[in-house]
Amino acid sequence: DADVTQTPRNRITKTGKRIMLECSQTKGHDRMYWYRQDPGLGLRLIYYSFDVKDINKGEISDGYSVSRQAQAKFSLSLESAIPNQTALYFCATPFQGRSYTFGSGTRLTVV
Amino acid sequence: GQNIDQPTEMTATEGAIVQINCTYQTSGFNGLFWYQQHAGEAPTFLSYNVLDGLEEKGRFSSFLSRSKGYSYLLLKELQMKDSASYLCAVVDSNYQLIWGAGTKLIIKP
Repeated sequence: DADVTQTPRNRITKTGKRIMLECSQTKGHDRMYWYRQDPGLGLRLIYYSFDVKDINKGEISDGYSVSRQAQAKFSLSLESAIPNQTALYFCATPFQGRSYTFGSGTRLTVV
Repeated sequence: GQNIDQPTEMTATEGAIVQINCTYQTSGFNGLFWYQQHAGEAPTFLSYNVLDGLEEKGRFSSFLSRSKGYSYLLLKELQMKDSASYLCAVVDSNYQLIWGAGTKLIIKP
């Protein structure tokens, strides 16, 4: 089983719709991250969480919200999707403090 | 501001050696990562440097000079499967990862 699992893998949604991307991890890590990746740009941090009660905004949190339902689950929501939120989204957790394990990604298209 | 620079694209020949450079200006430094990312897939960990010098791991090596704000990833005996993007990321003073835009490496037969 993968350490970090993201669902869905692909999603097409309409402008104005609410959508949730889900992430779960099996290693019991406290910290979890949501990143967005656009062509030609580096990974950009949306939100991160150090534990269930500690959630922090990243550099591009506007238009997004998150929920840490349990230590293993960290969900990202787009309350009202817009086309410029079309991107590849990754969830990640740190591994032994020296690397980060990424989920397989969610390719989101907003039309 | 914080900035990480990498070449956008590089081309190399199968069997050859290629060096991908990364320069950084960040608020503090707590380590530098290199990741490999195939198109449409998740980044996968290659190396981590926190002290100056060269770290070798099989065909891949990574070098760091903290005084120069510089790192490189060296790939030897290139194989077609090495065609991918290579991402440089620095851990800043707040232990957040700052990512470069990545270098797309194209391997030709």
